[in-house]
Amino acid sequence: AQSVTQLGSHVSVSEGALVLLRCNYSSSVPPYLFWYVQYPNQGLQLLLKYTTGATLVKGINGFEAEFKKSETSFHLTKPSAHMSDAAEYFCAVRGSNTDKLIFGTGTRLQVFP
Amino acid sequence: DAGITQSPRHKVTETGTPVTLRCHQTENHRYMYWYRQDPGHGLRLIHYSYGVKDTDKGEVSDGYSVSRSKTEDFLLTLESATSSQTSVYFCAISGWTSRGEQFFGPGTRLTVL
Repeated sequence: AQSVTQLGSHVSVSEGALVLLRCNYSSSVPPYLFWYVQYPNQGLQLLLKYTTGATLVKGINGFEAEFKKSETSFHLTKPSAHMSDAAEYFCAVRGSNTDKLIFGTGTRLQVFP
Repeated sequence: DAGITQSPRHKVTETGTPVTLRCHQTENHRYMYWYRQDPGHGLRLIHYSYGVKDTDKGEVSDGYSVSRSKTEDFLLTLESATSSQTSVYFCAISGWTSRGEQFFGPGTRLTVL
């Protein structure tokens, strides 16, 4: 079985500051990991994914995430926040033996000028 | 953007009435999913389909049924709507490989009075 925990339902940063959104997962099989972003009144858009291979994954809009098996983590980072990054972010896990994604409860990112 | 549409986009209905939501894709993807999104819960899987006439339950399937008679259409039916089914419903699709990410539709906001 798989599960996802996102630490912090709300994160606030100043424009230009580092963004760090935390995600820890549990999986009994090798996981596939995803970060999605949701802007107000829209569907979810894939930011990045880890399936196999390189553990540092780069995504769209300057975001990246690192798969750390020993820490069961897949934290999302961006060196310098922009006002347009304000949105809700979801981490998701899929076990290699299933078709289903399990989502975290989301983290709402606010960016202050 | 993946070719996914949902209809209707907004609906208000009364308790006890039947409601059908439609998801239509133009990508010829094998897998289709229905989720509901509620504050504090992230996205929760209702039902999914892994082919025409092949469906399975998700974690919150009670009170919902689905049908898929064509590759491109996946219908979600609330046989007798209740206020607890007030939510935003998202359809998602994914391709023929089991490691594929899911692509999301724009969502349907359903209010049950």
